[in-house]
Amino acid sequence: ETGVTQSPTHLIKTRGQQVTLRCSSQSGHNTVSWYQQALGQGPQFIFQYYREEENGRGNFPPRFSGLQFPNYSSELNVNALELDDSALYLCASSLVGDRGDGYTFGSGTRLTVV
Amino acid sequence: SQQGEEDPQALSIQEGENATMNCSYKTSINNLQWYRQNSGRGLVHLILIRSNEREKHSGRLRVTLDTSKKSSSLLITASRAADTASYFCATAARTSYDKVIFGPGTSLSVIP
Repeated sequence: ETGVTQSPTHLIKTRGQQVTLRCSSQSGHNTVSWYQQALGQGPQFIFQYYREEENGRGNFPPRFSGLQFPNYSSELNVNALELDDSALYLCASSLVGDRGDGYTFGSGTRLTVV
Repeated sequence: SQQGEEDPQALSIQEGENATMNCSYKTSINNLQWYRQNSGRGLVHLILIRSNEREKHSGRLRVTLDTSKKSSSLLITASRAADTASYFCATAARTSYDKVIFGPGTSLSVIP
């Protein structure tokens, strides 16, 4: 299977709840990165996983956490949701050591916190 | 904080014209990438240029990189209405293994 798939596509949660977003990496890719994109802005780097370990983190609080599984799929977990967490969450996979193709992005999960 | 800054923030041109977008960045990079995003959907990788390259072409796209000025430009020739999208530059820094940081983007409108 090629391409990056994210689920769900849309999600509405209440402030204070927890959410888990999922991502299946492109076949052959071993690195997954997560980004948060607010409306009208560029994607903000949350963190990156390589070989199931966090390999770099952006300026996001600890309530944003993640996992990468042996099959290179990944989860983004956000606890204690705040209204400002409403955004498009993007997952991107890549192959470390081969940067010729850049990142392959999924279509994103649109999270709305009410 | 974002590494790259695109200029202009918004650009409106007629179909058939060329569109030029610029990107400036702050620290040394391993490579610079350009992406396109249609209406809040996922980003599509357009082209990657390495720090030791000065120019790269892909179809109607031409990217230049000037590491002395820490800047890059993306030229889309003979634009089409389908090129209407947001365009982002993104940099992979030498000190961050494969982490890619995006700028705020340029919104391009191509008027038929």
